[in-house]
Amino acid sequence: SYELTQPPSVSVSPGQTASITCSGDKLGDKYASWYQQKPGQSPVLVIYQDNKRPSGIPERFSGSNSGNTATLTISGTQALDEADYYCQAWVSTLVFGGGTKLTVL
Amino acid sequence: EVQLVQSGAEVKKPGQSLKISCKGSGYSFTNYWIGWVRQMPGKGLEWMGIIYPGDSDTRYSPSFQGQVTISVDKSISTAYVQWSSLKASDTAMYYCASGAAGPWVDHWGQGTLVTVSS
Repeated sequence: SYELTQPPSVSVSPGQTASITCSGDKLGDKYASWYQQKPGQSPVLVIYQDNKRPSGIPERFSGSNSGNTATLTISGTQALDEADYYCQAWVSTLVFGGGTKLTVL
Repeated sequence: EVQLVQSGAEVKKPGQSLKISCKGSGYSFTNYWIGWVRQMPGKGLEWMGIIYPGDSDTRYSPSFQGQVTISVDKSISTAYVQWSSLKASDTAMYYCASGAAGPWVDHWGQGTLVTVSS
């Protein structure tokens, strides 16, 4: 079965740029999406179709996808961005990565 | 505004059956697929399966095939997931999710917490 691999944790200082990677076989040939989940809340879509932002998502969130790796980038990271982030792709069925805990410290 | 409203928390014993629901509103129900996602305590998101309300076509993730049944009642814009015999390992938060434009989730329900304990 298809697997998406994410680092378990990423740390970033406020105002700096955070990058979260997601690796999968030929992931660049598929659409990658990203979700943010804060404790006790449902996930929220922050990037779809590799690099598109839904309405209401701040411009500091961006995405890219090439080769075997998709990347979520958060520029000017704020304390309120601290959350778990999940990548997702569709490979005959929807697949999630294991999630990355972003710590802003 | 698209909304997915799930049924309330459940506490069950091992071996019991359960059916939880997800009611869609604010959109044409048959135009969006609906999926179910499991999140075990302290763990990540797991895709269980998908149903297309227009024709009830249903696909299961291999890990959940035979373990749950996903269904829909178009007349009341509601999707379901059910278990015939719960196990303690089914204890988790279950989310319904919907999408229309492509292979991503546009909207999420608020989650239904299922606790299975003797």
